Amino acid sequence: DIVMTQTPLSLSVTPGQPASISCKSSQSLLHSDGKTYLYWYLQKPGQSPQLLIYEVSSRFSGVPDRFSGSGSGTDFTLKISRVEAEDVGVYYCMQGIHLPMYTFGQGTKLEIK
Amino acid sequence: QLQLQESGPGLVKPSETLSLTCTVSGGSISSSSYYWGWIRQPPGKGLEWIGSIYYSGSTYYNPSLKSRVTISVDTSKNQFSLKLSSVTAADTAVYYCARRGDEGVDYWGQGTLVTVSS
Repeated sequence: DIVMTQTPLSLSVTPGQPASISCKSSQSLLHSDGKTYLYWYLQKPGQSPQLLIYEVSSRFSGVPDRFSGSGSGTDFTLKISRVEAEDVGVYYCMQGIHLPMYTFGQGTKLEIK
Repeated sequence: QLQLQESGPGLVKPSETLSLTCTVSGGSISSSSYYWGWIRQPPGKGLEWIGSIYYSGSTYYNPSLKSRVTISVDTSKNQFSLKLSSVTAADTAVYYCARRGDEGVDYWGQGTLVTVSS
């Protein structure tokens, strides 16, 4: 089974400042089709998770460009260039190399200072 | 706009079977482009994929739950369903239905809390 490990598990950021979350997988997420199946989600308080980033670095429809994803193989990063109050919640990475099966990281809670 | 809505009992007794249905509106469950699945989240904890189904009926289950899970689809009603047998308190969670497309799990239901208690 692929294990997804996120760091940090929580962070507190001043509005307007950047934030970064790391996600490491126990196996490479690079598929033989050339795609890397790593996704990022944000679960705002009391809501369902929402897709932010797919295939490492592609922003989903409607996602602000202050969110960006990078990485390859087993190491990935989600960056928020300037945190806003509406960005609070729990961020999850998810692997989908064995689609339609997937596993999630343990989550990173973002709070505003 | 695609919408998914979970429905079913909010309270299930230990050892019984949890049954939920997801109704899809604003799109067809029979599209060849998508898989439909269930994900759960115990209170205050992270997300766990339960299983997925294709409109043809092909199913894929989390190995840790496989012996207790059945997912089925009813294309005539644009619905898919989850059955989880022999539940315990550890199965208490918010259960989400969701769609997986080319861009990942892109649409989620609002979730429904199922509590296992006598």
